[in-house]
Amino acid sequence: GAVVSQHPSWVICKSGTSVKIECRSLDFQATTMFWYRQFPKQSLMLMATSNEGSKATYEQGVEKDKFLINHASLTLSTLTVTSAHPEDSSFYICSARDLRGGGTGELFFGEGSRLTVL
Amino acid sequence: AQSVTQPDIHITVSEGASLELRCNYSYGATPYLFWYVQSPGQGLQLLLKYFSGDTLVQGIKGFEAEFKRSQSSFNLRKPSVHWSDAAEYFCAVGATLGNEKLTFGTGTRLTIIP
Repeated sequence: GAVVSQHPSWVICKSGTSVKIECRSLDFQATTMFWYRQFPKQSLMLMATSNEGSKATYEQGVEKDKFLINHASLTLSTLTVTSAHPEDSSFYICSARDLRGGGTGELFFGEGSRLTVL
Repeated sequence: AQSVTQPDIHITVSEGASLELRCNYSYGATPYLFWYVQSPGQGLQLLLKYFSGDTLVQGIKGFEAEFKRSQSSFNLRKPSVHWSDAAEYFCAVGATLGNEKLTFGTGTRLTIIP
């Protein structure tokens, strides 16, 4: 099946710094990618929809200036956590839909990126 | 608003034993239901999905799930688990077939003992 890869898989940073997480679709093009956040013992929560060549669509309650999303190519979306603070520590997961073959396609998920802010 | 409840946070079963993971959903219309599995350090993998038709759905790795509208449930089952089935399992509900705005349950961690 299609593969979605995230990098880095884990990162530790100091409070106040910015961290960039990459999400790549390795063998298909994705005009749309999705970013989720997962707290320990909790569900995955959709943060935003990343649209290639246009602005991302954020879910209610998600700070656009805090979580910058860029989708500059059909295979890459990036999430930048700006001025990170300990409360931003979480597991971030991206997904992309493979539309090859028509239909609605299957949603493929990356392996996740664990962010720890000290 | 749609919601998903997975009542069991952690389940331990013996290898070769049968398995049932519970999932209850809340949604006003006909739901689109999914089960995903997440192994440590890996992304979520789709096990199976239900859209319409036969309420017993077959998935990969020998898993199946049954949609019961009267009970608002979509429980995942496997007749005989293998050690490699140890993972986190997520149930999810969506409003449409292609709706990326899935609502996930909190997950059930499955441990397999020899």
